[in-house]
Formats: sequence, C-alpha cells, structure tokens
Amino acid sequence: KQEVTQIPAALSVPEGENLVLNCSFTDSAIYNLQWFRQDPGKGLTSLLLIQSSQREQTSGRLNASLDKSSGRSTLYIAASQPGDSATYLCAVSGNTPLVFGKGTRLSVIA
Amino acid sequence: ETGVTQTPRHLVMGMTNKKSLKCEQHLGHNAMYWYKQSAKKPLELMFVYSLEERVENNSVPSRFSPECPNSSHLFLHLHTLQPEDSALYLCASSQGTPSPGKLFFGSGTQLSVL
Repeated sequence: KQEVTQIPAALSVPEGENLVLNCSFTDSAIYNLQWFRQDPGKGLTSLLLIQSSQREQTSGRLNASLDKSSGRSTLYIAASQPGDSATYLCAVSGNTPLVFGKGTRLSVIA
Repeated sequence: ETGVTQTPRHLVMGMTNKKSLKCEQHLGHNAMYWYKQSAKKPLELMFVYSLEERVENNSVPSRFSPECPNSSHLFLHLHTLQPEDSALYLCASSQGTPSPGKLFFGSGTQLSVL
C-alpha cells in the first residue's frame, strides 16, 4: 500500500528565504507525482506535475525534483513571499489513484 | 466560469437528514473524483468515475452514495450521516485514468453533521 510522508509538518521562514519541502513515498512504481497548494478552507491548486520518467519540473519560483528509485521528491521555493503562505501537499499516482501526504504548512513572515 | 464548481460551500445537517453535494466541471475531463479531508489526516479518496463509470470505491460506508449522470456532473448523496463524517468534501477532475494528468479541484463543501 502506497504511503506518502511530508516533512516538516510546519515551517516558518522570513520573507526572501529559499526553502525546500520534502516528500517521500514507499512504492516507487508510480506514474507521476504532483505538488499542490491549499489555502485555508479552500480546494487544492495544482502547482507542478512530474511524470515518472522526468527528473524535475519548474514553474516560476518553484522547482520540483523527483528521485523515483529512492522514493523522494522535493519542492524548492525561491525568494519566498508572504503570499506563498499555505499548505503544500504532494501526491503520487500509481496502481491506485492519487495518494496524498498530510502536507507541510508554510508561513512566510514579512 | 471556474474549472470545477462545487455547491453548496457550507452544509449543516442532522443525522436523519438527506442531502446532496453537487460538482460540475467545465474542463472537458473524462474522470471525476470525490475526496474527504478531515483535520490532521491526509486526503482520503472516496470514489473515482472514469467515462461515467465508477472505477474506484474506497470502502466508503453506504450512507455515501455517488452518482455521475454525465462526464461533467458528479453528485454525492448523503443520508443518516454520523458526526465523524463532518469534513471538507472535495471534488476533482482530470484527463486520463489510471494515470491522471493534473487534478483540478473545486473549493469544497464544508460539511457539519450535528
């Protein structure tokens, strides 16, 4: 059974810092991995999708990497801003539809 | 029009009530999903519909009954719920299963069962 773990559970950083969020998964037989952002009481917004054959994807200040063999992904956020404050979730799809981690709650302090 | 629309945004119901959650997607996707999000737990997949056929039913109690009349609409019928069913219910859509492309989520229905 696929399990997804995100570390840390919460993170607080000053504005302007670069930061890394971590995601690990137990079954490396995946189709793809997605990173999402969720604001309080709202739905999820897809940020990046990495296919199992890819190593990384970039969108603006966000860069996500995937190491399928070790079951790890990282989301790198450059030059963080207060507007980046949200919960970030990763999810993997494989033999079962998307399995989510519990998320990392990020606070960027101005 | 936003991509995925859910109604209502908030719902309070008693344990003997019957209510329905509605989801509509305007993205031309062929798969739709219901997820449950409870505090301090990962999102739990409830149901998946692909081309209007249910392809996943994740051991959800029968008091939750999904319906997918066409590829753009998805319902979740609720009856005789329990207080522990209080949660945020999220609908999503994507193109392709079992390897979905990007999932697009609605804003969710915050359900409180009294």
